This record gives sequence, C-alpha cells and structure tokens, in this order.
Amino acid sequence: AQSVAQPEDQVNVAEGNPLTVKCTYSVSGNPYLFWYVQYPNRGLQFLLKYITGDNLVKGSYGFEAEFNKSQTSFHLKKPSALVSDSALYFCAVRDMRAGYNFNKFYFGSGTKLNVKP
Amino acid sequence: SQTIHQWPATLVQPVGSPLSLECTVEGTSNPNLYWYRQAAGRGLQLLFYSIGIDQISSEVPQNLSASRPQDRQFILSSKKLLLSDSGFYLCAWSTGGFTEAFFGQGTRLTVV
Repeated sequence: AQSVAQPEDQVNVAEGNPLTVKCTYSVSGNPYLFWYVQYPNRGLQFLLKYITGDNLVKGSYGFEAEFNKSQTSFHLKKPSALVSDSALYFCAVRDMRAGYNFNKFYFGSGTKLNVKP
Repeated sequence: SQTIHQWPATLVQPVGSPLSLECTVEGTSNPNLYWYRQAAGRGLQLLFYSIGIDQISSEVPQNLSASRPQDRQFILSSKKLLLSDSGFYLCAWSTGGFTEAFFGQGTRLTVV
C-alpha cells in the first residue's frame, strides 16, 4: 500500500530559526512525493515535489525538502522560519498503481507549524 | 492559466436536506478530478475521483455521491445529509504523469 506518515502533530519554532517538518513514506516501487501547505479555511497550496534526480528539492517560499531513500523520508525544511509560515503542512504520495495517466494522491495527517516571534 | 472554482465557500444545512457542491476547472481539458473531505482541520480523505465524463470512482462507502456531467465540472451530492457529513470539502484537479494536484478554496459544510 502507498502511504505517508507525519509523526508530529505540531512543530514549534522561533522566528529566524531553521524548521523541519517530518514525513516518512511507504510505497512499492519508486516514490513520488509532494508537500503542500494549508492556511486556515483555505485549500491546499503546492510547495514542492520529488520525482527523480537530486535528493534536495527546492520549492516555493524558500522551502526545500530532502529525499532520503535509506530512511524512507522526505522532510520539509527551511533555513529561517517566518511567522507567516505558520500553517498546516501536508506530505503526500502518488499512488503508482493507478497508472501513468491518472494521479491518485494520498495525504498524511498534517503537521501544524507554529512560528513564534 | 488554469484555475479551479469551488462554491459555495460555506454552507449550513439541516439534517436530512439535500446537498450539491460544485467545482469547475478552467484552462485545461480532460483533467483528473477529485473530492476530498477534511475533518477537524486535519487529514484529507479521498472521497471520489474521476478520469473522465461520467467516470466516477468512490474510495469509501458513504452518504455522498459524485457526478461529472461535463469535462471540467465535478459535483458532490447527497440526497439526505447526516450530522457526520459536516466537514471541509475540497475539490482538486491534476493532469496525468507526475504533476501535482491543484486545490479549490474549499467548502465548509455544517450539518445542524
């Protein structure tokens, strides 16, 4: 089965400090992984994705994610957190069983990031 | 550019009443379409997905149904709402390959 897990319900970090939001995956075959952010009462916004290539993926708003095959992880990172980064973050995996032409996504349970001034 | 519209933004409905939520996509053809539900502001549950007109797949048994009468229109319905149908409903679309999904702004449904 394809799944992702976000082991932390909440992450607290001070503004200006680096942040990490954790995600681990379980897939059969190659993983195709995504990060999204959700602000209150809004839809999800795409941040970045890993398909193949460099293990360090750069995305929107200064976020990046590190793909680690041996640890089956895809942690989201940012060198210096902003108060405006406070939001709910979701990791997702594409279900490859659905075939190439159809994307079926499964999401983690979400991690609430709190950045304090 | 592609855009996705979802409405209404909020909805309060009595138990036993019908439901119709609509989602439309502009700027692309033959998109894959999805309905997700988010309970208590956390994880997303995939309810329905569609690869084409009148082609609907359901992920979980429930009180809801979906339809796709046109290529870029996706509708979530219920004949009789339950209290447990309350939640935040999100429509999304993607193309094939390894593209990401793009989400609408969501509908907050409260069943009273």
